[in-house]
Amino acid sequence: GDSVTQMEGPVTLSEEAFLTINCTYTATGYPSLFWYVQYPGEGLQLLLKATKADDKGSNKGFEATYRKETTSFHLEKGSVQVSDSAVYFCALSSNFGNEKLTFGTGTRLTIIP
Amino acid sequence: GAVVSQHPSRVICKSGTSVKIECRSLDFQATTMFWYRQFPKKSLMLMATSNEGSKATYEQGVEKDKFLINHASLTLSTLTVTSAHPEDSSFYICSARRSGSGYTFGSGTRLTVV
Repeated sequence: GDSVTQMEGPVTLSEEAFLTINCTYTATGYPSLFWYVQYPGEGLQLLLKATKADDKGSNKGFEATYRKETTSFHLEKGSVQVSDSAVYFCALSSNFGNEKLTFGTGTRLTIIP
Repeated sequence: GAVVSQHPSRVICKSGTSVKIECRSLDFQATTMFWYRQFPKKSLMLMATSNEGSKATYEQGVEKDKFLINHASLTLSTLTVTSAHPEDSSFYICSARRSGSGYTFGSGTRLTVV
């Protein structure tokens, strides 16, 4: 079945540091890939997505590229801010008519000033 | 944009009682709604998928008699935790999807059973 393996946290970085959160997946067919962010006490918000190979999703300075050859969708940001502190989830949705999302375990990110 | 309202945000109940959680799509009709449970330091576990007017499809290992899901209209789905026990304490999140669009999540409900 579908699965998502995500870099375990927690991750603590200083402000303005470079961020990478690794995500790899296993899926049949050609899934869509997502990164969701969960701020403290809130639900999940879509951060970015990519629907086909080599697509790059980007939002709020975050980027992730859909790499079919390595089955990866790593999240990156060049200069993190304190406000980026949250839990980040990598997820996929199979395109075989199954609408449900399969999530990774989440990575808690803390940015210190 | 699409907004999903989930209520209540926090609830504390006594063991043995039932709790109902509501999930409403405020500005769109949701053809499908999903209910997730989030364990501490773990990912979201899909509990069930509900389509308006039909029975929910439960994931393997989820007790359908314990977690009752009703999707009475295109804008409302409810999750009722029946005869709650302390092990049911968790964070429950709903998600709504309209045809051809992405997923919108509610803000979650923190259930504590004492």
